[in-house]
Formats: sequence, structure tokens, C-alpha cells
Amino acid sequence: DGGITQSPKYLFRKEGQNVTLSCEQNLNHDAMYWYRQDPGQGLRLIYYSQIVNDFQKGDIAEGYSVSREKKESFPLTVTSAQKNPTAFYLCASRTGGMELFFGEGSRLTVL
Amino acid sequence: AQSVTQLDSQVPVFEEAPVELRCNYSSSVSVYLFWYVQYPNQGLQLLLKYLSGSTLVESINGFEAEFNKSQTSFHLRKPSVHISDTAEYFCAAFYNQGGKLIFGQGTELSVKP
Repeated sequence: DGGITQSPKYLFRKEGQNVTLSCEQNLNHDAMYWYRQDPGQGLRLIYYSQIVNDFQKGDIAEGYSVSREKKESFPLTVTSAQKNPTAFYLCASRTGGMELFFGEGSRLTVL
Repeated sequence: AQSVTQLDSQVPVFEEAPVELRCNYSSSVSVYLFWYVQYPNQGLQLLLKYLSGSTLVESINGFEAEFNKSQTSFHLRKPSVHISDTAEYFCAAFYNQGGKLIFGQGTELSVKP
């Protein structure tokens, strides 16, 4: 089945550690997105990529990094510079019709 | 600046009652509008979308939304809700300029028996 796979679903990290969240899609979509979700704040855009080997910062890119070496993959690294990384992270890809398809999310908890 | 505002953070309602979840977006020449639904600890699922054409759009489970350009609104309605409609609902706008989908803050719909 076509879709978006995020892993891991749950992740625990110690302060000062970098962690990478995986996002893979087999929908043949060009554009991919990373959002962060916190209670009462909706979804905030971290990074997005409209084509392979190119990406742009979203509204809250500080403390995060991404790469887009393959069309299918858009991993997100949460670095130690991110002051408050505990959150629910959502990856999505976009059709030509502007609709976003979302993965099931990854919940990161910093201990 | 491009923005989407959902006017209610929580909407409690009794089963079989009607409901309206309000959404306003910042005006733009070219904008596409969406409603997504999220169940606990899951990703978002598309509920319905307005791209062009008829201003009233419907979902398969009885929700509808009306695009109102003069009021820059895209309110979501359902004439009779079920317990299973309990979830968080997000309004979103895609602006061609920038290629970004911008979300509102979300409305938590709680349907009580």
C-alpha cells in the first residue's frame, strides 16, 4: 500500500543528544514537510522540501536540520540546540492537488 | 502575513446535536482550503477540501464546509454529530505563494452522550 512511514513511533532522548526521525514515502510525491505539534498550538512548520536536494526553513527551524538526498526520504534531526524538543512530530508529503498526506507521527520525549 | 485562525479551541456538544467549527484565513488571490481530523496519537486525515468550483464541499461522513470569500471563512458543519466524531479538527490553507500549508490552532470537538 502507498503511504508515509515514520519511525520510531516513540523515542526517548537524554538532554544534549541529537536524534534523527525517519520519514519515508512511496507515493512518488515531490514535496515533503515536517511539522511539530504541541497542545493548543496546532501544527507549526519546521522544514519543507519541494524537490530533491533542496529544502527551505519553516517557521521554527532553529535547532533542527534535514536532508533530502532521495525523493522517498526526508529525515529530521533534532539537535541539542533545540531548547524544548519534547513534542509530537508529523511528516507529510504533498500531491499536485495541494493535499497533504500525513504519517502516523513520532513522539519524542527528552528525559 | 498568511494565517489561519480557528475561533474555538474546544467545542463540547451532545450527541445528535448540530455543530459548527469556525475557521478564518488571511485573504489571498489564490488559496486552497482544507479541514483535517486527528484522532489521539495519530496523524492527520483529510476530511474535505476546497480547491475551486462549488463553494459548498462535503465529506463522506456528513460534514460540510462552505467557502466564503467575502468573509474569508471556511466553517465546518455537521447537522447531527456522533460519539465517534470526537477528535481534534484542523483548518488549513495552502497559499501558492511560498508553497506552504498553514494550519490553524485546532478545535477539540467533544461529543457527549
